[in-house]
Amino acid sequence: DAGVTQSPTHLIKTRGQQVTLRCSPKSGHDTVSWYQQALGQGPQFIFQYYEEEERQRGNFPDRFSGHQFPNYSSELNVNALLLGDSALYLCASTRQGSTEAFFGQGTRLTVV
Amino acid sequence: AQSVTQLGSHVSVSEGALVLLRCNYSSSVPPYLFWYVQYPNQGLQLLLKYTSAATLVKGINGFEAEFKKSETSFHLTKPSAHMSDAAEYFCAVSGSGAGSYQLTFGKGTKLSVIP
Repeated sequence: DAGVTQSPTHLIKTRGQQVTLRCSPKSGHDTVSWYQQALGQGPQFIFQYYEEEERQRGNFPDRFSGHQFPNYSSELNVNALLLGDSALYLCASTRQGSTEAFFGQGTRLTVV
Repeated sequence: AQSVTQLGSHVSVSEGALVLLRCNYSSSVPPYLFWYVQYPNQGLQLLLKYTSAATLVKGINGFEAEFKKSETSFHLTKPSAHMSDAAEYFCAVSGSGAGSYQLTFGKGTKLSVIP
C-alpha cells in the first residue's frame, strides 16, 4: 500500500518565480493538508482540501494557493517566490472523520 | 486558539536511560494531542495520539505519553533509550470539535542517544 507521495523531492527556484508541488494521498484517504517546515522549526499549517475545496486556511498570504482533483490528489502553488519561502513542504492525508494524519517525505524548496 | 510548547530544543540521553520529552499545550477547546517523530530528510511518523479515551497512551517503539489536564501537559517517555531513537520529536495539538482540522506543532526536540 503506497503511502503519501510527494513530487518533486527537491527543487531550486529563483526569487519571483512560481512553483507547483504535488501530492498523492494514501489509498482510501480523501483529505489533504499542506504544511511548511522552515529549518529548525515545527511544521506550520498552510491549508486543507476536502471535496475539491479549501476547507481551512492557516496564516499564509494569498501567494499560496492550492487545488484538489477528483482523485483526491492535490497541488500547492506558490507565486512570486521569496527567499523566506525556502522550506520543507509537507503533505498530509487523512480519511474524513479520522484523527490520524499520514505525512509524505516532503519537497525541499530552495529559493535563491 | 491552540499552541504547543516543547521544553528543550535538544535532549541527550545515554543508551538504556529513560527518555523524557516535555510538551505543554494551550487549547480553548478539549484537545486532541499527538507525538510525531521525524528522521533526517524524512516526513513525520505518528508515534501516538490522545483523543479523549485513556489518559495514558501507548504508542509504537515502546513510547508512551500521559495526558494531564490539570497540568496541560502531554510528556513523552520511554523507559530505555535505543540508538535508533535518535531523531526529532514534535508534539502537536488539534481541536476535538467540528471544524478543527489543523495540527498546531511545537518547535520540536532533537533527541541524541549516547552509546
